[in-house]
Amino acid sequence: EAQVTQNPRYLITVTGKKLTVTCSQNMNHEYMSWYRQDPGLGLRQIYYSMNVEVTDKGDVPEGYKVSRKEKRNFPLILESPSPNQTSLYFCASNSRGGLGSYTFGSGTRLTVV
Amino acid sequence: DQQVKQNSPSLSVQEGRISILNCDYTNSMFDYFLWYKKYPAEGPTFLISISSIKDKNEDGRFTVFLNKSAKHLSLHIVPSQPGDSAVYFCAAQMEYGNKLVFGAGTILRVKS
Repeated sequence: EAQVTQNPRYLITVTGKKLTVTCSQNMNHEYMSWYRQDPGLGLRQIYYSMNVEVTDKGDVPEGYKVSRKEKRNFPLILESPSPNQTSLYFCASNSRGGLGSYTFGSGTRLTVV
Repeated sequence: DQQVKQNSPSLSVQEGRISILNCDYTNSMFDYFLWYKKYPAEGPTFLISISSIKDKNEDGRFTVFLNKSAKHLSLHIVPSQPGDSAVYFCAAQMEYGNKLVFGAGTILRVKS
């Protein structure tokens, strides 16, 4: 089944403790992206990647890092999480360089206390 | 400043009637528009899209209308079913863009 898989689904952590949210897709898509969803703001792009070793900032990149060492994986790294990064995170992929519809993962709900 | 706005946080409709969800945008460079549906504890799933060269696109019970001069689009669901109850996101994209710009979403409740 074609899908985007995120882990973990739920995570509670403390301020300053580094964490990684993994994202993997099995559709051989070049384009991958991370979004965060917050009430009243919809989904906002954090980072995106057009292909292996090609990443760029989205609209809200502060406090996040990403890497793209393999085509299928696009982890999101929070080096020093803060409470304002408490949010619902979605990974997405696409076969047309970011044009058209995206396939989203099921989400990771992160709480930073 | 939000470039894509969904001004109705929620909408309640009786089963069998029409649901109309609205979306406004401010950036005239957008030329591709999408609607996503999201159930609790799941990711958004693509529903229907429209290119700026069209003013209407249909897919079964779902129709999207685009009014470029008003920078407005709407999603019509006819007839509405209880399984349509979800959050609906409007999204927009530029021709050479590398992201989707989302609205805040509208919660649709279809009552049986």
